[in-house]
Amino acid sequence: EPEVTQTPSHQVTQMGQEVILRCVPISNHLYFYWYRQILGQKVEFLVSFYNNEISEKSEIFDDQFSVERPDGSNFTLKIRSTKLEDSAMYFCASSRDTYSNQPQHFGDGTRLSIL
Amino acid sequence: AQTVTQSQPEMSVQEAETVTLSCTYDTSENNYYLFWYKQPPSRQMILVIRQEAYKQQNATENRFSVNFQKAAKSFSLKISDSQLGDTAMYFCAFMKYDNAGNMLTFGGGTRLMVKP
Repeated sequence: EPEVTQTPSHQVTQMGQEVILRCVPISNHLYFYWYRQILGQKVEFLVSFYNNEISEKSEIFDDQFSVERPDGSNFTLKIRSTKLEDSAMYFCASSRDTYSNQPQHFGDGTRLSIL
Repeated sequence: AQTVTQSQPEMSVQEAETVTLSCTYDTSENNYYLFWYKQPPSRQMILVIRQEAYKQQNATENRFSVNFQKAAKSFSLKISDSQLGDTAMYFCAFMKYDNAGNMLTFGGGTRLMVKP
């Protein structure tokens, strides 16, 4: 069964550095998402992306964050100047559509540790 | 804004027995979807079961079933004949019914341990 793949599985970065998290969504999916989960807290929505533009974003997704689909397969999340509080598990998801019969499929996540 | 609450941080059940995980939510929406996702240790989240709010009939997927009480805004998950492979974190999630590339709102999760 097709899967969403995320790389790297674990990223360690110095505070203030830029980091790019990568995702390869399922190939026939059209909607892409990023979520994050700070240790011990809920999974939180960051952003959704469709047709090469952001369709919805949360308050967390400020100017520090950006997303891009640089080619036909990758979907990236960039954090420009990382802060300690950006340490979290970041999940990418994709779906064919936005209805419940086309649910979101999640990747394994990237654990981001900011030092 | 929507909120989802899972009041049981951890639960355990003996293999072959039945367990029910609780979920309540708060919303002003009338049309929405509810989901249960399972996240095994060090693995990705996978969809277990889904329910459309406009459907009165409770969803069932093999050993998994839900008790959807719309008026009470409750959406519990029942796992029958629990198996060791059911050990995982379980997340309840809410999604609005529209076509805007919608976000999932998650509860805090319930860690389920199935004991042999």
